[in-house]
Amino acid sequence: QVQLQESGPGLVKPSQTLSLTCTVSGGSISSGSYYWSWIRQSAGKGLEWIGRVGASGSTKYDPSLESRVTISVDTSKNQFSLKLTSVTAADTAVYYCARVLNWVLDYWGQGTLVTVSS
Amino acid sequence: EIVLTQSPGTLSLSPGERATLSCRASQSVNNNLLAWFQQKPGQAPRLLIYGASSRATGIPDRFSGSGSGTDFTLTINRLEPEDFAVYYCQQYSSSLTWTFGQGTKVEIK
Repeated sequence: QVQLQESGPGLVKPSQTLSLTCTVSGGSISSGSYYWSWIRQSAGKGLEWIGRVGASGSTKYDPSLESRVTISVDTSKNQFSLKLTSVTAADTAVYYCARVLNWVLDYWGQGTLVTVSS
Repeated sequence: EIVLTQSPGTLSLSPGERATLSCRASQSVNNNLLAWFQQKPGQAPRLLIYGASSRATGIPDRFSGSGSGTDFTLTINRLEPEDFAVYYCQQYSSSLTWTFGQGTKVEIK
């Protein structure tokens, strides 16, 4: 069974870049059957979809975050990553990575809390 | 974007009762591309239903989804103690972005 695990700093300073990695085990990230996605959850905004990446590197982002977001894939490490620039306190959230099969978010990582604070 | 509104905000029920949760979309969800998730404290959301009515792998048949267009329902028959949680609907039909409802909490009465 596929498993996903988020990793990265739990604290980021305002105006800096948030960087997270999702490591996929139990399956190949290179399979053309899947996309890979990031979602975040905060008390203020609930669950928010951030974007997705395919094994080929093709991406789609939420329009409200598109100017600040980059999602990329590293097939050699079976990982995909999230970068969010110019963060503010509003970006404080639990960040989840997830697998997308037939456009469905079918498996999720356990999530990692990222706090934006000086 | 498609806004999803869930009701009620909180549902207070006893084990063994039936839960009926609503999800209303601000515009039609094409091809019924709507999913339901369950989330327990400290855990990630878990996929229950996709395509409005198809159960995900390993999901008990007491969970069922229905609806089309703008109105969708998640029904939980005979609530078990482990079913008390927060439930979210999510649409994945829009080419612009995917959105979630604000959640319905099913709590023990």
